[in-house]
Amino acid sequence: GAVVSQHPSWVICKSGTSVKIECRSLDFQATTMFWYRQFPKQSLMLMATSNEGSKATYEQGVEKDKFLINHASLTLSTLTVTSAHPEDSSFYICSARIIVAKNIQYFGAGTRLSVL
Amino acid sequence: KQEVTQIPAALSVPEGENLVLNCSFTDSAIYNLQWFRQDPGKGLTSLLLIQSSQREQTSGRLNASLDKSSGRSTLYIAASQPGDSATYLCAVSDSGNTPLVFGKGTRLSVIA
Repeated sequence: GAVVSQHPSWVICKSGTSVKIECRSLDFQATTMFWYRQFPKQSLMLMATSNEGSKATYEQGVEKDKFLINHASLTLSTLTVTSAHPEDSSFYICSARIIVAKNIQYFGAGTRLSVL
Repeated sequence: KQEVTQIPAALSVPEGENLVLNCSFTDSAIYNLQWFRQDPGKGLTSLLLIQSSQREQTSGRLNASLDKSSGRSTLYIAASQPGDSATYLCAVSDSGNTPLVFGKGTRLSVIA
């Protein structure tokens, strides 16, 4: 099946620093990638939809200046958490859509962010 | 706005039991429904995908059914094993272009 690689899998950073998370589709081209956030024992909440070559569409309540998304190629999308604070600590998961007609998404393994 | 609910939130069963996980959604006009498995601290693994025109899908010991008119889906796991222990998430798509809407999941523990 299609593989989505997400890196890093775990990152610890100091408050105020920025963290970049990469999401790559390894064996297919993804015109659309999604970024989700998951708090402990909660479901995945969509943060933004990233389309190659255009600006990301953010969900209500998600600060676009804080969570910068870049989708510069058909195989790579990045999420940068700028000036991270402890409340940004969470599990971030990306997914890539491969077949628009069936809306099938393949998910990365996730990134656990801990902000001290 | 589509909302997805999963019951129960947690379930513990002895090895070998057959079990059913439930998922309900508020807007029956869905495009498809997926069941995922998530291990602690890990990403999602797609288990079964049911298109809106289908009634069920099967993969090994897993069977997922869909009753779109009533807004319900069930995931049936036969002869459960300790390796089945994980969180099972249900997600629906309202169209071919919209993001998935997830339930909160059911945390399953299969005791040896």
